[in-house]
Amino acid sequence: DAGITQSPRYKITETGRQVTLMCHQTWSHSYMFWYRQDLGHGLRLIYYSAAADITDKGEVPDGYVVSRSKTENFPLTLESATRSQTSVYFCASKERGPTDTQYFGPGTRLTVL
Amino acid sequence: AQKITQTQPGMFVQEKEAVTLDCTYDTSDPSYGLFWYKQPSSGEMIFLIYQGSYDQQNATEGRYSLNFQKARKSANLVISASQLGDSAMYFCAMREANAGNNRKLIWGLGTSLAVNP
Repeated sequence: DAGITQSPRYKITETGRQVTLMCHQTWSHSYMFWYRQDLGHGLRLIYYSAAADITDKGEVPDGYVVSRSKTENFPLTLESATRSQTSVYFCASKERGPTDTQYFGPGTRLTVL
Repeated sequence: AQKITQTQPGMFVQEKEAVTLDCTYDTSDPSYGLFWYKQPSSGEMIFLIYQGSYDQQNATEGRYSLNFQKARKSANLVISASQLGDSAMYFCAMREANAGNNRKLIWGLGTSLAVNP
C-alpha cells in the first residue's frame, strides 16, 4: 500500500532554473493538493485539482504551474525558481466524502540558492 | 481575520500525563469540519482525528480525543497518557461547507509539544 509518494525528497537548485516536484497517489483519490510550509506561515495552499484535467489556484500560486493529465499524478513545476520558493512542499489527496480528510505525502525539501 | 487560532506555540508534558492542545476557530457556516494533524521531526503530516460540526459526540481515536465546545468555537485536542513519541508539532485545521469546489482546509500555525521522560 504505497499511498502517496513525493519525489525527490530533497532538492537543491539555483535561482532561475526550472524544477518539477512529483506527486503520485495509489488511492485513485479525486482531489489532490499542493502546499508549501514555511516557518511562521503554516501550510499554504498553492494549487489544487478536483479531478484529472481540472486544476485551480490556491492562496499562493504565483511562480508555480501544475498539470494533472492522470488521476494519480499531480506534478508541481517552478518555472524559474527564486530564493523565496525555498520551502518544504507537501502533496495531499482526498476522496469525496463526509469528512474531506486529506492525506499527505512525505514532503519535498527544496532549497533555491 | 485568522480563522484558526492555536495560542500555545510550545507545550511541555511529563510522560504518561495527559495534555490539552488548544484550538479556536471562527466561522459563520453551520456545517464545518475540524481536523488535527501531527507533524513529527521527520516531517510527515499525519492525520489524527476529525470532528464534524453536527456530530453529537466528541471524536475519539485511541489516546486522542477532541474536546469540541461548539458554543465557544473551540476544538481542543486531548492526548492521554503521553508518550515520548508524541513529541511533535500539532496542527488544527478547519473545512467549511461553503469552501466551494476546492474543499480546502484552513490551517492554524501549530503547537510544538515536547514530552519529557
